[in-house]
Formats: sequence, structure tokens, C-alpha cells
Amino acid sequence: GENVEQHPSTLSVQEGDSAVIKCTYSDSASNYFPWYKQELGKRPQLIIDIRSNVGEKKDQRIAVTLNKTAKHFSLHITETQPEDSAVYFCAPSVGDYKLSFGAGTTVTVRA
Amino acid sequence: EPEVTQTPSHQVTQMGQEVILRCVPISNHLYFYWYRQILGQKVEFLVSFYNNEISEKSEIFDDQFSVERPDGSNFTLKIRSTKLEDSAMYFCASRVDSSNEKLFFGSGTQLSVL
Repeated sequence: GENVEQHPSTLSVQEGDSAVIKCTYSDSASNYFPWYKQELGKRPQLIIDIRSNVGEKKDQRIAVTLNKTAKHFSLHITETQPEDSAVYFCAPSVGDYKLSFGAGTTVTVRA
Repeated sequence: EPEVTQTPSHQVTQMGQEVILRCVPISNHLYFYWYRQILGQKVEFLVSFYNNEISEKSEIFDDQFSVERPDGSNFTLKIRSTKLEDSAMYFCASRVDSSNEKLFFGSGTQLSVL
């Protein structure tokens, strides 16, 4: 099965700074690369995703970059705000879009 | 905006009892999933369901688990004889069709087995 690793496991940033989370995966057949945000006690919510034929995608303050050769993709959050504090999960998938979640990164934005 | 809904939000049961967790996927979605998340851990895939049959299941989804789509709207997860280690948040998710990868998650059912 897919082996997914996220780094770092925790990230503390000053409000206004950038945050970057990296996700590595093992299955070269993975073709869909989403990032989910989960606030305490809430459902995972899709914040951005990218397909294997695209290298980068941006949506306002959030961007995802994909390096298929190296089998990793990263989440970039710019101009962080307190409401960005949450746990972020990468969840690459193959085929029937069975998501394989990483262990999560707890992001804390300090005001 | 349409949402995946799950009931109940919390379920407390005694070890060995049967539980049924209920989900109503988004109405035009065709692919359905159950995931679970043990407190403080990552979300784990349990099972995917399409065209009234299981398409894939994980090692966690053993003979104690079953899924059913009893009518056109509900999607249920049954655990026949609960164990302490079944305590977790269970999320239902759905996806519209084979051309769209986006999974939408329900708000979850917190299952506590005592």
C-alpha cells in the first residue's frame, strides 16, 4: 500500500509569515494529490488539490506544488492568519481515489 | 451547499454490542466511503462502495464490519460486535462520479465503546 510521510509534524509560525508542509509518497501510480484541513473536532475539509499532469496550483493564499519524479508535493500558505491554525493532512490517491492520509501537521499561527 | 450528513453525532455502546452508523451522501454522488480516525491519529480508509457493492476494503474492515445502501439515500456502516479498539470518529464521504476526484466528508460519528 501507499506509504505517506508528512513533515514537519508541528509547525509554529508568526502571523503574516509563510508555512510550508511537505508530503512524500511511495506509490508512483498516485495521480491525485489533495490537502485537507481539519479543525479540532470537525470534518476534514478539502482546501486544495492537484492532478498528476500539473506542477503547481494556486488559490489565493494557498498553493500546492508537485514533484512526481521525486514523489513529493507541498502545501504553501502565505500571509498566515490565526484562522489557519489547524491540522493539515496530505492524502495522495491512486485509481479509485482511495485517499491515503499522512499523519498530519499541526499548524499554530501566533498572533 | 449540499453536505454529507451523519447520524448520530455521538454513539456510546457496550463492548460486544452491534452498532449502525448512518450516512446520507450528497444526492447525486455515486461513490461512497467510510473512514475512521482514532483520537490524535490520522484518518484511515475502511471501505469504498460503488454500484451497490464494495469496490475496495482495508485490513481494518474485517468480518465484523459491513456496509449497506438500503435505499436511494442512506449508506450505513455496521459493526457486529464492537471492541474497545473500535472507539474512533467515523467519517462517511462521497464523490460525484469517476471523473471527479473530490471527496466530501460528513461531520462524523464519535463512537465510544465501553
